[in-house]
Amino acid sequence: DAGVIQSPRHEVTEMGQEVTLRCKPISGHNSLFWYRQTMMRGLELLIYFNNNVPIDDSGMPEDRFSAKMPNASFSTLKIQPSEPRDSAVYFCASSHTPGNTIYFGEGSWLTVV
Amino acid sequence: TQLLEQSPQFLSIQEGENLTVYCNSSSVFSSLQWYRQEPGEGPVLLVTVVTGGEVKKLKRLTFQFGDARKDSSLHITAAQPGDTGLYLCAGPQKLVFGQGTRLTINP
Repeated sequence: DAGVIQSPRHEVTEMGQEVTLRCKPISGHNSLFWYRQTMMRGLELLIYFNNNVPIDDSGMPEDRFSAKMPNASFSTLKIQPSEPRDSAVYFCASSHTPGNTIYFGEGSWLTVV
Repeated sequence: TQLLEQSPQFLSIQEGENLTVYCNSSSVFSSLQWYRQEPGEGPVLLVTVVTGGEVKKLKRLTFQFGDARKDSSLHITAAQPGDTGLYLCAGPQKLVFGQGTRLTINP
């Protein structure tokens, strides 16, 4: 079975540009998570969805960040406008239910210059 | 907010040595999970501990959950270069993660 699929794997963009990260969770999983990882702050939960509904977005840093899950097989994380401090690895993860094992994608490495 | 503190942050040892890394919190957790993350990849679950005092073994890795369910440890026996990676502990609520221990095993 395919795992969590993220795209792009790497993106370099200029400050002020819009960035859209994409995620396809494991089929049948009802919960989807977006995390951000940096050396300074470690792995931080940004938002998670259950059955396509955002349950907790308290980790979303500010209004420049938005996430959507239009259906059970697709989610996006958008940053507009991007800033250099947004440079990080963004992970999407999914699980069958919120308390079960979480499976991570390989991450999207974002560099904002 | 339940916080998890991991120590040490960095650890570099020689192949064959034993090591222990720690995950501590001031809060009680219903369960704790340990993940390993290799460079360029996402974290992968190693084990979940649920019961206070529980010990779980995964080959050369031994995981222990504290009696009070506020802390956990990971002990690796006879470390090998393949054990190199970032070891993360996580709580069940929103999967709050510790900062991790970055482990390097030198051949």
